[in-house]
Amino acid sequence: QQPVQSPQAVILREGEDAVINCSSSKALYSVHWYRQKHGEAPVFLMILLKGGEQKGHEKISASFNEKKQQSSLYLTASQLSYSGTYFCGTVYNNNDMRFGAGTRLTVKP
Amino acid sequence: EAGVAQSPRYKIIEKRQSVAFWCNPISGHATLYWYQQILGQGPKLLIQFQNNGVVDDSQLPKDRFSAERLKGVDSTLKIQPAKLEDSAVYLCASSLELAGGLNEQFFGPGTRLTVL
Repeated sequence: QQPVQSPQAVILREGEDAVINCSSSKALYSVHWYRQKHGEAPVFLMILLKGGEQKGHEKISASFNEKKQQSSLYLTASQLSYSGTYFCGTVYNNNDMRFGAGTRLTVKP
Repeated sequence: EAGVAQSPRYKIIEKRQSVAFWCNPISGHATLYWYQQILGQGPKLLIQFQNNGVVDDSQLPKDRFSAERLKGVDSTLKIQPAKLEDSAVYLCASSLELAGGLNEQFFGPGTRLTVL
């Protein structure tokens, strides 16, 4: 049930864009995205619901493909502060929550 | 608004000993989660409470782990006896309602457990 994230790691220069993908083999109810910096707790970025509703930070965008059971997180014009590990959390049947293994993003000056 | 509180922040024990972690969620949050995060991995859900009832404990190793949320507010997670592979950060999170819906989770700072 654990979702699969790709890529496992990515290195960017400031100002570059990145896409992080999350896929599930099981029908999804919703997808959560969180960022975790080293030694800190995960912080909420975005939720996308089946059917189109979403909630999140203005500068973050993501998509949810219900047919493919996939979600993508789009990071544009990256800043140094975007560095961290990004986790997708997939929700099944309205309450079962499972996190992926994470994508480590490094933004360099 | 106060965040999710956890204690202790760090704990070192010998294998076969017992340990307990405490979590106080954000006021008014009905749903409380305990996660185990091993270094380099994503958080693994151990147990999810809705008020004082268990919603999902399918990944909780019930032979050694137990958790309770008796009054529907704060919660305790216990390990008895601990094994070396239990070394991890234990994260508590809370949300207004269940994970379905637009209910983001707020995480506490975690308890880093080292089992020697």
